[in-house]
This record gives sequence, structure tokens and C-alpha cells, in this order.
Amino acid sequence: DQQVKQNSPSLSVQEGRISILNCDYTNSMFDYFLWYKKYPAEGPTFLISISSIKDKNEDGRFTVFLNKSAKHLSLHIVPSQPGDSAVYFCAASQLLNAGGTSYGKLTFGQGTILTVHP
Amino acid sequence: KAGVTQTPRYLIKTRGQQVTLSCSPISGHRSVSWYQQTPGQGLQFLFEYFSETQRNKGNFPGRFSGRQFSNSRSEMNVSTLELGDSALYLCASSPGRRNSPLHFGNGTRLTVT
Repeated sequence: DQQVKQNSPSLSVQEGRISILNCDYTNSMFDYFLWYKKYPAEGPTFLISISSIKDKNEDGRFTVFLNKSAKHLSLHIVPSQPGDSAVYFCAASQLLNAGGTSYGKLTFGQGTILTVHP
Repeated sequence: KAGVTQTPRYLIKTRGQQVTLSCSPISGHRSVSWYQQTPGQGLQFLFEYFSETQRNKGNFPGRFSGRQFSNSRSEMNVSTLELGDSALYLCASSPGRRNSPLHFGNGTRLTVT
């Protein structure tokens, strides 16, 4: 049961253009969403996040959009640079029910390989 | 501020052995989580510790265990290693508050032969 899905295994973009990475989720209890970038042999690097009370969050070249009704989020990178080439993961977390709280459990998508060509 | 530090970076073990991995979180972070990354299953949550208490656990067998010390450093142990335990094990830390991103270390690459 894959609760977070990234349906595009790979994306190729020209330098300077926009990169759009997509992510869908099925669990309506998710309330916090994150994007990570990962290079081989390194751990994921946090890029940007958004809570479920917002529909957009910007940080420099990175913007995340959240559409709760569609259970869909996307990451826009503008302009794309060759150094952005990496695997991008979306992730989601939820506040546990029944009085338990845990913010360290993220459910990850399978990742999208972004290649930015010079 | 120093990032999350994991040791060792690489480890080769034999089936049936046990292994302990170590993680030092970012200073001030009280939550430490562990993840397993494999090509087939992706990134899977193992468990989370906060103030020396396990407060969440993923769907892994009891051979996988962990602990957290009073200085927030954490260790993860895998007993009776199986070939399928070969993976990249990632540790992440956070302040442990709502809507705080996790920050990951570079992982320990475990190979079981």
C-alpha cells in the first residue's frame, strides 16, 4: 500500500527552464509535506516543506504547491541549474491519533531522477 | 552547526552476525529517527526516539532495535543478520516539534554476505 507516489521515475529539463516534480498521496491524515534532494552516497537533503493549512510555500528558486482536494503536491524549480540534477523525494507525515505524537515518521515516495542539461 | 553524523560509513558483515550503527544528531535536536533505504522498497521508517523513549516504530521484525542516550545520541542494532538486511541505513534528527523537517546524515552502507 503505497501512500505516497511519484509516478514519474525521471525528468529531463534544459538549464534555465522550469522543472516540475509531482507527488500524489492517498492518506488524508497527512498534514505536513516535504521535498528532499538526494545525491548518490549521501543522505537526503531537506529542500522545502508545507503544512496542510497552506497551499503554497516559496524559498528562492523552489516553490511547493499543495492541492488538498486532489491529494497532490508539486515542486517547481525555476530556473533549473545543472547542479539540481539529483533524485528528488517527496515525503509526508501525520500527527498520530489516540494521543500519541510522533513527528519523526515520514512516508516517502519512490523518487524522481531529475537531469538538468546545460 | 554540525550536521547529523553517522558511523561507520561502510560495514561488511556475515549472515547471522549482529551489527550496531551509531548516530549523533544535530546539537539541540531531541528526536532521532532511523530509516532503511533499499532499491526495491525505497526509504522505509524503522523507528523514532525522543528523550530516550521510542515513540514510534515501523513494520520491521524485532531483530531491529534501537536506543537513545541522554545526550540524544542514538544507536541501532540488527541481530541475526540476513542477506536482505543489506541496505543504506539513514539517521535523521529534528527538534521533535510539529512541522519541523528531519535532517539526515549520510548513512551507513551495510553489506551482508
